Amino acid sequence: EVKLVQSGAEVKKPGESLRISCKGSGYSFTSYWISWVRQMPGKGLEWMGKIDPSDSYTNYSPSFQGHVTISADKSISTAYLLWSSLKASDTAMYYCARQYYDSSDYYRAWGQGTLVTVSS
Amino acid sequence: QSALTQPASVSGFPRQSITISCTGTSSDVGGDNYVSWYQQHPGKAPKLMIYDVNNRPSGVSNRFSGSKSGNTASLTISGLQAEDEADYYCSTYTSSSLVFGGGTKLTVL
Repeated sequence: EVKLVQSGAEVKKPGESLRISCKGSGYSFTSYWISWVRQMPGKGLEWMGKIDPSDSYTNYSPSFQGHVTISADKSISTAYLLWSSLKASDTAMYYCARQYYDSSDYYRAWGQGTLVTVSS
Repeated sequence: QSALTQPASVSGFPRQSITISCTGTSSDVGGDNYVSWYQQHPGKAPKLMIYDVNNRPSGVSNRFSGSKSGNTASLTISGLQAEDEADYYCSTYTSSSLVFGGGTKLTVL
């Protein structure tokens, strides 16, 4: 069974850094891209970017380029989403999702979500 | 503002059929068949319901179907059931980015 398990909820202050994780299991981690999707409170889905875990090649949405960093450690089948300096507007639920099949941009397996709250 | 336009809400009675539209441009929805639909219940992760305009992943009910005409894609749910009440998002891939519609809240009356 394909599973993506995300790290737990975080409460941070503006300006702090943060890394959240997404651990894949039940499949070959390096064979499928992982995307990150943001959902702000009461709002819709926003694609942030994706990573190819086999070589850590990344592709970011223009809206998020430069604001976050996506990385992966294939040795432990884990993808990461990093902020160097959080803002209150980063408060949201963040989901990771695995590419459905090679070369597609459909996502059938999703993590449970990580709620990030940024407040002074 | 989303690149794909969906109605904010739709509603229907049990056993009826409803259709949710997703309007883009000739550069995205109209340009290829990379359209998908996701269902999201409150507090849950999205679930892939339709891909490649009209394909269902295994395990998804055949009450869900997709279509496309020009720059508008559509999701039809037939035989509405209470558990279909959720938010629905269309999505497509364009200019090296995945984009979602603004979402449609489906209410089963």
